[in-house]
Parts: sequence; C-alpha cells; structure tokens
Amino acid sequence: NAGVMQNPRHLVRRRGQEARLRCSPMKGHSHVYWYRQLPEEGLKFMVYLQKENIIDESGMPKERFSAEFPKEGPSILRIQQVVRGDSAAYFCASSTTGPRSGNTIYFGEGSWLTVV
Amino acid sequence: SQKIEQNSEALNIQEGKTATLTCNYTNYSPAYLQWYRQDPGRGPVFLLLIRENEKEKRKERLKVTFDTTLKQSLFHITASQPADSATYLCALLLTRGGYQKVTFGTGTKLQVIP
Repeated sequence: NAGVMQNPRHLVRRRGQEARLRCSPMKGHSHVYWYRQLPEEGLKFMVYLQKENIIDESGMPKERFSAEFPKEGPSILRIQQVVRGDSAAYFCASSTTGPRSGNTIYFGEGSWLTVV
Repeated sequence: SQKIEQNSEALNIQEGKTATLTCNYTNYSPAYLQWYRQDPGRGPVFLLLIRENEKEKRKERLKVTFDTTLKQSLFHITASQPADSATYLCALLLTRGGYQKVTFGTGTKLQVIP
C-alpha cells in the first residue's frame, strides 16, 4: 500500500513563473491537506480538501495560491507568479475520513520549492 | 489564536538516558494531542495520540503525558538511541467548523550522543 505520493520532490522556479505541486493520497483516502514549512519554522496549515470540494482554505494566501482535488487524479497546489518568499517545503497529507476523533493523517515526503 | 510552544533549542542527550520534550499551549484545550517525528528532508511521521481524558499513553520506549490544567504535554523517550535523533513535533487537534483542525508546534530537535 503506497503512502502519500508527492511530486516533484524538488522544484526550482524563477520569480514570476508558476509552480504546480501534485499529491496522490493514500489508497482509500478522500481527504487531503496541504501544509507549508519554512526553514526553522513549523508546519503551517494551508488548505483542507475533499474530493472536488475545498473545506477550509483559511491558511491559503489570498492571492496567487490555489488548490484543487478533482474527482479523478491527484490534488494540485498551484502557485502563480512565484516570489522568493514562496521558497519552502510543501507537505501533503491524507486521511480516510475527515479529521474527527483524532483521526491520524499521513504525510508525504514533501515538495521542496526554490525560487531563484 | 492558539499558540503552541516547543523548545526551540536543540536537546542533546547521552545515549541510554531518557529524553523529555515539552509542548505547551495557550487558549483552548484540544480534544486530542499528537506527536510526530520528522527527519531532515522527510515528511512528519505519526507517533502517538493522546486524548484529553487520558493522563498518559505508552508505546514501546515512548511515553506521552497530557495535563489539561497545566496546558502541557510531555514526550519521553526512554533508553534513547542515536537513531532517535530527529525533530519531534507536537500537534493539537482543535474542533473548528464541525471538524478538527491540526495545528503544529515548531518542533524540538533531539540529538542523541553515542
């Protein structure tokens, strides 16, 4: 049973370009979460999605960032017109049900974005 | 807003000793608290969950305590080994909008010295 798969693992983009990060949840998981981790900082919640629905995007910057989890295919975190401050590790996590009753979420290995 | 504090300084400990990591939080008491391990360049890995009505939870060499009065959780690794060296993250599960939102602390880096 494969874990949460993220790709690319490492991505380099020039300022102004677009970054697209993909996440395939664990088999049977329909809930996906995206977190961002800046150097020497903790994991910051960005967005929580179920299939085709955004449940909570309170951690997403209002501009340039978007996320989707289509009926078919992986979840995508899209960052338009990247700036140096977007350089970070982006982690995806998934769970079988929503985060109730202490339900465990499983993390992928992350996508490291570097903006030059 | 909820604030979670973990020792930002690295914890160095001799192999074989017990490592104790602290997680303090402010404001609301979570229904659940989790601990994760994160190695450099890797994603966090779930270790233990403790509920608000539980005082202590154990798993092999790991022990977690949860004091809702002090708003604190302690994470212990007994008989520590160099392989335990990693960053340990505390996470609170808070109910919001009908579901539980996971909020992480900044983590404490543990170094076990042979």
